[in-house]
Formats: sequence, C-alpha cells, structure tokens
Amino acid sequence: AQTVTQSQPEMSVQEAETVTLSCTYDTSESNYYLFWYKQPPSRQMILVIRQEAYKQQNATENRFSVNFQKAAKSFSLKISDSQLGDTAMYFCAFDQTGAGSYQLTFGKGTKLSVIP
Amino acid sequence: DTGVSQDPRHKITKRGQNVTFRCDPISEHNRLYWYRQTLGQGPEFLTYFQNEAQLEKSRLLSDRFSAERPKGSFSTLEIQRTEQGDSAMYLCASTVPGTSEADTQYFGPGTRLTVL
Repeated sequence: AQTVTQSQPEMSVQEAETVTLSCTYDTSESNYYLFWYKQPPSRQMILVIRQEAYKQQNATENRFSVNFQKAAKSFSLKISDSQLGDTAMYFCAFDQTGAGSYQLTFGKGTKLSVIP
Repeated sequence: DTGVSQDPRHKITKRGQNVTFRCDPISEHNRLYWYRQTLGQGPEFLTYFQNEAQLEKSRLLSDRFSAERPKGSFSTLEIQRTEQGDSAMYLCASTVPGTSEADTQYFGPGTRLTVL
C-alpha cells in the first residue's frame, strides 16, 4: 500500500519570505503522479501543483515549485514570496496511475501560517 | 460557476438517523470520487464511479454506506443509522480520464456532517 508522510504538522513563515514543506512517500511503482493541494480555512481544496514521476524536470507554478527526488521518494513544496493568502493546510497526495482508479492517497497535512 | 458542487454544506443529525449527500461534478467529468476527511487528517478515499458504474470501494465504506450515480451525472452518498464516528467532512471530486489532466481531481466544498 502506498503511504504519504508529511513530517511537519505546523509551520510559519514571514510574509515575503520563502518556506519549504516536506513530503515523502512509499511505493514500489515507477509510474505515478504527485500533487500538492491547498485547503484554506473553511474553504475547498484546490490544486497547487502536480508532478509526473517520469518527468525529471521539477514542476513550477508561479511562486510554487517542487523538488522531486524520485530515488529518495521525496516531494517538497517551496513557496516563494509568501503571501497572507497562502495561509492554509497543505496536503501532499499520491496517485498510482498504473492502478487505473486514480484514487489519491493523502498525507496528514501541514498547517502553514503566513505572518504579516 | 462550473466547479464541483455539494449539498448540503452542513448537516447535523442525531445518532441512528439516515442522511444523504449530493455531489454535482464538473460537466463532462465522467469520474467521480468520494472521500472522507476527519479533523486533523488528510482525505481518505471511499469510492469512485466511472460514469454510472461504481468501480471501487474502500474498506472504510461499511455496509451502512451506499453511493449511487444513476445517470452518470450527479452522485449521492447515503449513510444509514449514523454513528458519532461518522462525523467528518465528506468531499467529492471529479476528473475526466483520457486527457492531459486525467489525474487531476477537482474537489467540491464538502459536506460537514455532525452526528450528535
């Protein structure tokens, strides 16, 4: 079974600074997708960034980028120029594409607070 | 708004009562997922549909839970004889396979269930 571990339950960062959220996963598969989702307080979950395992290039999306280390099974999220609106729970998720169902396995999340 | 919608947003019920939730996926998204999220945890997969067919169910989905998607559009999740342990946020997500974003699930706002 696939597992996703987020070792930082809570983090804080000063506005305009950079923060990195950690995620490790365990799988025996070679083909899969990884995601970071953001869940603001009392609001719905939205996709931040995705990474295909077969791509060596790290995904970027504006101020968000990932450091994908396939051999180490590590998938960290870097948020640059943090903004107050980045305050949210961040979930790392794994999708074993080969299984065919595309069901997501989530970590327990990291609560990020951006401090003015 | 063409996003995933869920109804109701909040439901308070007494133990032993039956409840039903509805999810309307993004138009033309033929895969629909149900997840459960308890406080302080990431979402956990419950079940998913490809069109009207329910293709996979998690062990979390006890006999008291039933999900349907009769016409391949909206879906309902019913919980019979609710227990306090059923208190959680129930999330719905949808996606469409066969595209470049086949693995990206779009989430609804969730239905928060409180069982007294």
